[in-house]
Amino acid sequence: LAKTTQPISMDSYEGQEVNITCSHNNIATNDYITWYQQFPSQGPRFIIQGYKTKVTNEVASLFIPADRKSSTLSLPRVSLSDTAVYYCLVAALGSGYALNFGKGTSLLVTP
Amino acid sequence: NAGVTQTPKFQVLKTGQSMTLQCAQDMNHNSMYWYRQDPGMGLRLIYYSASEGTTDKGEVPNGYNVSRLNKREFSLRLESAAPSQTSVYFCASSQTGWRTGELFFGEGSRLTVL
Repeated sequence: LAKTTQPISMDSYEGQEVNITCSHNNIATNDYITWYQQFPSQGPRFIIQGYKTKVTNEVASLFIPADRKSSTLSLPRVSLSDTAVYYCLVAALGSGYALNFGKGTSLLVTP
Repeated sequence: NAGVTQTPKFQVLKTGQSMTLQCAQDMNHNSMYWYRQDPGMGLRLIYYSASEGTTDKGEVPNGYNVSRLNKREFSLRLESAAPSQTSVYFCASSQTGWRTGELFFGEGSRLTVL
């Protein structure tokens, strides 16, 4: 199972773009990269998932370089409501696997 | 469509008491998970069930047992609660296949052991 490393915390001002990078050096060929967001007192929720290059949805963009050993979650023009913990997961296709979240990155957005 | 439902939402136990956390999902998912979350520790996997009839240990299984009662339900039991088990517990489910990794979480169960 691929181990992931991401910063413990980040700070940003409202309106800025925030990029959170996750390292996963031993990612396997069948692994997908998935990011989750967790607000206080709530369970995590899915944000975005990708395999390679770039994925964009209405919430965020996910950039994955050719070697796939890292990935970057990009949040455009953050607001106070984006203050949350962000988790990077690497998981394979097929049967259910042990999906380990780790400590995530705590993002604080201030005015 | 309720998604993932956990009961109870809050519980206070005394050391040595037992209790079962219930989890049910109505999305016909194959895989189900139990996590605990402590301040500063992120989410840690306790047990998971890849499919009905199977269960496996996660990162922190000691002091817990699980039962995959059927495809919908996955319970977590504390046989003899300890203060170290004070935590917020989250149940999650996912469908296997192409969308692997997308977990759907319940609202959490806050457990305090005195």
